[in-house]
Amino acid sequence: SQQGEEDPQALSIQEGENATMNCSYKTSINNLQWYRQNSGRGLVHLILIRSNEREKHSGRLRVTLDTSKKSSSLLITASRAADTASYFCATGRGADGLTFGKGTHLIIQP
Amino acid sequence: DAGVTQSPTHLIKTRGQQVTLRCSPKSGHDTVSWYQQALGQGPQFIFQYYEEEERQRGNFPDRFSGHQFPNYSSELNVNALLLGDSALYLCASSLWVTPANSPLHFGNGTRLTVT
Repeated sequence: SQQGEEDPQALSIQEGENATMNCSYKTSINNLQWYRQNSGRGLVHLILIRSNEREKHSGRLRVTLDTSKKSSSLLITASRAADTASYFCATGRGADGLTFGKGTHLIIQP
Repeated sequence: DAGVTQSPTHLIKTRGQQVTLRCSPKSGHDTVSWYQQALGQGPQFIFQYYEEEERQRGNFPDRFSGHQFPNYSSELNVNALLLGDSALYLCASSLWVTPANSPLHFGNGTRLTVT
């Protein structure tokens, strides 16, 4: 079963705009990670935020975590065509394998 | 520095057959995890290997088995293939820490089609 649920399922924006996607999860977590997947390829790790952190930045990426609401958001600023991909949040607890959501499919239009 | 490599890239099998997928982890990594990704879904955890032993297992039947070799490479075996086993199989490597604390490095996957 999928623990994380990304929202929206699909998002289409113009190049240069900001893209925001959200993730909700059900159980307590140690950390939350975001991954990107280009069509038909493997996943690429973007950022990890620990359960005691509220916000983290990496380049054009900003991730927030609200453990009281069991939710996270990923903001991509100044989007580029190369950002077109599917984005997944993944949660883990203890030694269990990561649990991924169904992903948000992001399309950046030139 | 080689990343995670998987072979083959594509595979077509018939129901009831058996398949073996292979994975070489990123240089310096000692832990290998396998994930199944159905079309339009997120990856689902199958199992994780460290020190040649299965350490954690997701909700997959015994038809799914694996192995890790002394050089840290790994194999995923699936017996008695079902149509529902058609998916992208992803291998991910990391250093031995709890998965939640360690970013995973993924290969590009093996696309398995069962007819």
